[in-house]
Amino acid sequence: KQEVTQIPAALSVPEGENLVLNCSFTDSAIYNLQWFRQDPGKGLTSLLLIQSSQREQTSGRLNASLDKSSGRSTLYIAASQPGDSATYLCATRGFQKLVFGTGTRLLVSP
Amino acid sequence: GAVVSQHPSWVICKSGTSVKIECRSLDFQATTMFWYRQFPKQSLMLMATSNEGSKATYEQGVEKDKFLINHASLTLSTLTVTSAHPEDSSFYICSADPRTGANYNEQFFGPGTRLTVL
Repeated sequence: KQEVTQIPAALSVPEGENLVLNCSFTDSAIYNLQWFRQDPGKGLTSLLLIQSSQREQTSGRLNASLDKSSGRSTLYIAASQPGDSATYLCATRGFQKLVFGTGTRLLVSP
Repeated sequence: GAVVSQHPSWVICKSGTSVKIECRSLDFQATTMFWYRQFPKQSLMLMATSNEGSKATYEQGVEKDKFLINHASLTLSTLTVTSAHPEDSSFYICSADPRTGANYNEQFFGPGTRLTVL
């Protein structure tokens, strides 16, 4: 059974810092891995999707990497802004199903 | 493109009543839809997988007689919480797989439905 863990559970940084969110998973037999953002009381916003054959994906200030063999993915956020404050979730896709991580609550202060 | 809607966005009901939540793929056909539940400050947990024209597959621990799922068309799945109780209060989110059903597909998520049972 796939287990997905995210570290740290919470993170508070001043505006402008570069930061890294970590996601680890126990079963490397995945089709893809996806990073989401969730604002309080809201649904999910997809940020990046990395197929199993890819090593990284980039979108604006976000860069996600995937190392299937070690069961790890990282989300790098450059030059963080207060608007980046949210909960970040990673999810691995096995056969049909997504398994979500425990989430990292990010607070970026002005 | 790839928009998924949910209705209603929030609902408050009395204990013992049934509540129906709709999930629609607006601009694509979805062979498979998924229903998740999220309790406060927790992550999303898959409740069931809904395949068009067949019975849903429920995850371990999810009562199929309490959470009725119907996927009658390629663009609509419904979740009915029967005889709702306060412990069913949660945020329910659906997602949809495009018709090709390939495992490398991206799933597209609805905005969620907040259920509060009094």
